[in-house]
Amino acid sequence: DAGVIQSPRHEVTEMGQEVTLRCKPISGHNSLFWYRQTMMRGLELLIYFNNNVPIDDSGMPEDRFSAKMPNASFSTLKIQPSEPRDSAVYFCASSLRWTEAFFGQGTRLTVV
Amino acid sequence: EDKVVQSPLSLVVHEGDTVTLNCSYEVTNFRSLLWYKQEKKAPTFLFMLTSSGIEKKSGRLSSILDKKELFSILNITATQTGDSAVYLCAGIIQGAQKLVFGQGTRLTINP
Repeated sequence: DAGVIQSPRHEVTEMGQEVTLRCKPISGHNSLFWYRQTMMRGLELLIYFNNNVPIDDSGMPEDRFSAKMPNASFSTLKIQPSEPRDSAVYFCASSLRWTEAFFGQGTRLTVV
Repeated sequence: EDKVVQSPLSLVVHEGDTVTLNCSYEVTNFRSLLWYKQEKKAPTFLFMLTSSGIEKKSGRLSSILDKKELFSILNITATQTGDSAVYLCAGIIQGAQKLVFGQGTRLTINP
């Protein structure tokens, strides 16, 4: 298996633009997590899905953030409109129930 | 609120030293604790600990969980420069199947 695949790897966008981050989890995994990592706040859980259903989105910072998982092999995290303080590395991770989570390589987002 | 706290936040040692990294947790419905190593990119999995008092080992790394005192330690013996990384621990919440991460310990090994 290729592991968790995220795209794009890097994104630079202007303030106010819409940003969409994509994730393909490991085949057969039933949980998917979106994390944001910054120097100041470390690794923060934004939202996670179990069997494609959003379970906990309490970490989503604002209404500007939204996430979807239309099927077991694909998820998106959207920021609209983006702001400079959204600049961070966004990780997607997947796991089987009760096991360790495997992380994608991350998307480094820079909003200027 | 579920919380995982790691200490120290930063540690600098010389190659060959032994280090102990700490992780304490306050997690409702705790199930397991995970350790990850993060170098320049994504965190990579090291250990999952579910039972108290059973040491897990992988080469020079070992870890143990104390569910009574709510903490875990990660030991690295005979450190090498390649061990330099941020080490993260995370608690798994039973039922919610959610990972709560600590802020990490940045370990630097000087030659």
